[in-house]
Amino acid sequence: ETGVTQTPRHLVMGMTNKKSLKCEQHLGHNAMYWYKQSAKKPLELMFVYSLEERVENNSVPSRFSPECPNSSHLFLHLHTLQPEDSALYLCASSQAWGAEGKETQYFGPGTRLLVL
Amino acid sequence: SQQGEEDPQALSIQEGENATMNCSYKTSINNLQWYRQNSGRGLVHLILIRSNEREKHSGRLRVTLDTSKKSSSLLITASRAADTASYFCATGTGNQFYFGTGTSLTVIP
Repeated sequence: ETGVTQTPRHLVMGMTNKKSLKCEQHLGHNAMYWYKQSAKKPLELMFVYSLEERVENNSVPSRFSPECPNSSHLFLHLHTLQPEDSALYLCASSQAWGAEGKETQYFGPGTRLLVL
Repeated sequence: SQQGEEDPQALSIQEGENATMNCSYKTSINNLQWYRQNSGRGLVHLILIRSNEREKHSGRLRVTLDTSKKSSSLLITASRAADTASYFCATGTGNQFYFGTGTSLTVIP
């Protein structure tokens, strides 16, 4: 897990707050991902960046705004969230994007987010 | 949806027993992976099986793939308490990669 780090590990925020989640990978990978994990639901892919360009945006509300300033860092900016956005947010990286699902994804420990 | 669905949703066994969990999916795939997630942590890759493979082994793990039935199984032999975790299959085709809802495995010491 030390290959992909996420901060903070826990976050409580009000619906009017603005916060950011940070992800950093030390593996030299070219693709980075944001996932949302809610109880009893499949892992939801939110965003994919490949070579610092966004290549996937799976109908995610605009209150989630990703940023990838370089190949090692990925941010998820949060504003005016809803209680149903409370979940575990996972960051992952892989050597490349796509490749028909043969790329291993390396996950960070996640940020547990609670929106009040 | 192409998302894999794991079965059972929850499984509880005694240490030393074998654990089998299944994954079914709906459309053709190129690769299927299994991941493990300890409580509140990130997922860890276990094994990948390609669509032209039928079985793979890695230590105490055995994965099978039946593309005609669109299903895969993960067998953990001689389970240990440390195997307690959630297990997810992930199916991939083209640029898409989908995780299922997972099987929660509890190994009782």
